[in-house]
Amino acid sequence: ELKVEQNPLFLSMQEGKNYTIYCNYSTTSDRLYWYRQDPGKSLESLFVLLSNGAVKQEGRLMASLDTKARLSTLHITAAVHDLSATYFCAALPYTDKLIFGTGTRLQVFP
Amino acid sequence: DADVTQTPRNRITKTGKRIMLECSQTKGHDRMYWYRQDPGLGLRLIYYSFDVKDINKGEISDGYSVSRQAQAKFSLSLESAIPNQTALYFCATSDPGTGYNEQFFGPGTRLTVL
Repeated sequence: ELKVEQNPLFLSMQEGKNYTIYCNYSTTSDRLYWYRQDPGKSLESLFVLLSNGAVKQEGRLMASLDTKARLSTLHITAAVHDLSATYFCAALPYTDKLIFGTGTRLQVFP
Repeated sequence: DADVTQTPRNRITKTGKRIMLECSQTKGHDRMYWYRQDPGLGLRLIYYSFDVKDINKGEISDGYSVSRQAQAKFSLSLESAIPNQTALYFCATSDPGTGYNEQFFGPGTRLTVL
């Protein structure tokens, strides 16, 4: 059974700093997804990573996938307050059912 | 207009009551899902449907049932609500034909069972 683990679970970082969120999954997964959730809101799709070595960037966020290591990363560059949210990764095994990590709550302070 | 809508958005009910949460979508997707979100536990899959005639149990289906009335509608029922079903519920849709099989989420229903 596929399990997805994220770390850290909580991240408090200063504006302007860089940091990386890690997402490990336990068995083969066809795809890896990153979502953002603001408090009390729905999930917004950020990235879909389809293959080994895939890298996608949007603004200050960059996601990558290493299928051999079963690891995806979400890198934050020069954080700003607007990035404060909870970030989820999710893996899609052959069953076609998304398995979510527990989320990383990011708080960016001045 | 939102592509995936959920009603109600908030609901407070009492133990033992029957509750129905509804989901509608205009994305034309065949696949629909119901998730539950609890603090610190991420999202967990309750039921999913890959087309109108297909219903499957997810990770935590006990105490829940669903109905797929049409391609665009997927309802979740709690036959006899209990307090530990207090949570945020999300409906989602996807289309594997795009290649991404990305899931799109509704705004959520906050359910409180007293």
